[in-house]
Amino acid sequence: QVQLQESGPGLVKPSETLSLTCAVSGYSISSGHYWGWIRQPPGKGLEWIGSIYHSGSTYYNPSLKSRVTISVDMSKNQFSMKLSFVTAADTAVYYCARAKGYSYGFYFDYWGQGTLVTVSS
Amino acid sequence: QTVVTQEPSFSVSPGGTVTLTCGLSSGSVSTNYYPSWYQQTPGQAPRTLIYSTNTRSSGVPDRFSGSILGNKAALTITGAQADDESDYYCVLYMGSGIWVFGGGTKLTVL
Repeated sequence: QVQLQESGPGLVKPSETLSLTCAVSGYSISSGHYWGWIRQPPGKGLEWIGSIYHSGSTYYNPSLKSRVTISVDMSKNQFSMKLSFVTAADTAVYYCARAKGYSYGFYFDYWGQGTLVTVSS
Repeated sequence: QTVVTQEPSFSVSPGGTVTLTCGLSSGSVSTNYYPSWYQQTPGQAPRTLIYSTNTRSSGVPDRFSGSILGNKAALTITGAQADDESDYYCVLYMGSGIWVFGGGTKLTVL
């Protein structure tokens, strides 16, 4: 069973960098698929932030591209996201998820439980 | 920027049938966008319902079905139950590793 677990600070100050990690168990990231981040501001909808392919290629939401970096640590079987220069608008529940690719239909099949990150001084 | 459109809200009577749609701000949704659908209840992570337009994810009841209707992707719930009351999100794959989520539809069963 594939499981994903987000971790990171629950509170970040404005203008600082939000850093989250997603630990994956039950599947090796190096074996394939996309690994991504999705967020949901309180009371609002889901927004795709970006993904990293198992090869290391990265893909970002154009609206966040200038502030986001996604990386992978194969040795720890985890991937991470950094979002710089955060504001209150970045307050959200952040989910990590696995996305299947071309041969499977380009969809998110496994999700983490989500972690709330609040941006406040 | 591409906008994926969904009805903000919908209501259905218990036992009834409802079709939620997923469109594009410009252009038509086709199978080439690999539409997928997710159900989310408050405080929970999304649950995958449908992928590749009409393939049900493992364990999803067959009262959920996906299709293309006209120029939109559609999620149909046949025989709605009380626990189908949730938010439903459509996601389109735009190519080149990019996904776009719709704004979601809040479904009320009453």
